Amino acid sequence: DAGVTQSPTHLIKTRGQHVTLRCSPISGHKSVSWYQQVLGQGPQFIFQYYEKEERGRGNFPDRFSARQFPNYSSELNVNALLLGDSALYLCASSQGSRLYGYTFGSGTRLTVV
Amino acid sequence: ILNVEQSPQSLHVQEGDSTNFTCSFPSSNFYALHWYRWETAKSPEALFVMTLNGDEKKKGRISATLNTKEGYSYLYIKGSQPEDSATYLCASFTGGGNKLTFGTGTQLKVEL
Repeated sequence: DAGVTQSPTHLIKTRGQHVTLRCSPISGHKSVSWYQQVLGQGPQFIFQYYEKEERGRGNFPDRFSARQFPNYSSELNVNALLLGDSALYLCASSQGSRLYGYTFGSGTRLTVV
Repeated sequence: ILNVEQSPQSLHVQEGDSTNFTCSFPSSNFYALHWYRWETAKSPEALFVMTLNGDEKKKGRISATLNTKEGYSYLYIKGSQPEDSATYLCASFTGGGNKLTFGTGTQLKVEL
């Protein structure tokens, strides 16, 4: 059974550009969460989606948006990239209950220059 | 406690040593506490999900306890091995939301 897959694995973008990150959850998992992780900090919550609906949003600007598709895969979009958006972006899937651990993907390393 | 806090930030131990880390979290409206292990160049891996005050979980040489009234959890590793070297993250669900809030992690290095 495939784990959580994220694409691309690495990405270099220029300030002001737009980026789309993709995530495919484990089969049977209906919830996808997105996290941003910068060196020295724990993963910071960006969004959670369950059954295609947004169920939680972290303290990120409106330049960050996401959506979930009928097959439960998800996209994270970031507009007008800033240098400070450089980070590892992690996607995690779960069965949707807080009683179950999350399964994380390997992440997308975004570098904004 | 308003955020999830972990201590120490990093730890170096010798092979065979036993060690423990602390996670502090908001005790009001507590719902669940997760522990993850994150090895370099890999994805974070779930170790435990704990919900009940006094809960104790064990997986091999690793165990964890939970005190929801005072808002802390301990992770113990008995007889540390080099393969235990990783960053250990705890995360808490509090309130009615779906935000799993992570601490900054404890980086463990086990040396031969």
